[in-house]
Amino acid sequence: NAGVTQTPKFRVLKTGQSMTLLCAQDMNHEYMYWYRQDPGMGLRLIHYSVGEGTTAKGEVPDGYNVSRLKKQNFLLGLESAAPSQTSVYFCASREAGPVNTEAFFGQGTRLTVV
Amino acid sequence: AQTVTQSQPEMSVQEAETVTLSCTYDTSESDYYLFWYKQPPSRQMILVIRQEAYKQQNATENRFSVNFQKAAKSFSLKISDSQLGDAAMYFCAYGGYFGNEKLTFGTGTRLTIIP
Repeated sequence: NAGVTQTPKFRVLKTGQSMTLLCAQDMNHEYMYWYRQDPGMGLRLIHYSVGEGTTAKGEVPDGYNVSRLKKQNFLLGLESAAPSQTSVYFCASREAGPVNTEAFFGQGTRLTVV
Repeated sequence: AQTVTQSQPEMSVQEAETVTLSCTYDTSESDYYLFWYKQPPSRQMILVIRQEAYKQQNATENRFSVNFQKAAKSFSLKISDSQLGDAAMYFCAYGGYFGNEKLTFGTGTRLTIIP
């Protein structure tokens, strides 16, 4: 009963390095989301997807790219990491509405950029 | 665009007492969902309670209940008989559907339980 799985759980990057965060869900959900969580700022939406092959920008998309080539996977990429991207990243998924629209979350990825 | 506002960064309550966390939101939609999520120190996001906008009856889940005022765009969470395990960060969230799929969160309220 995996639900939403994020990989990796922790990572330290040097400024300018690139990396990809993987989110995988086994609930056949249509919608998937990437958030970042910073102290005092709640969860801010980076990008989201409403189905395989689709992506859309959220509140804070700059410096990030995403892809949803398969319905169960949603990848978040940082092409050139910056210290301002130090954060905890959460992936979430949920069914398309109108019923059962509860979002399920991964356990988060703590990323530090030095 | 939808916005969600939680005006109480921190709250505290004596064990076994009742506490209410506030949330307001802004939307032009008529159909939507509202949620309260709990985030304990483990970082895992846990759904506490959900309210459908088309339902007038306030949702309840055991010791947790909401006061949903659609016209005022207010969605507060009441925790009765507070327990030590209720200590966490609480987030209010707005979710749409059918062309409005974003899930928008407030900035959170940190709840401390005083033994």
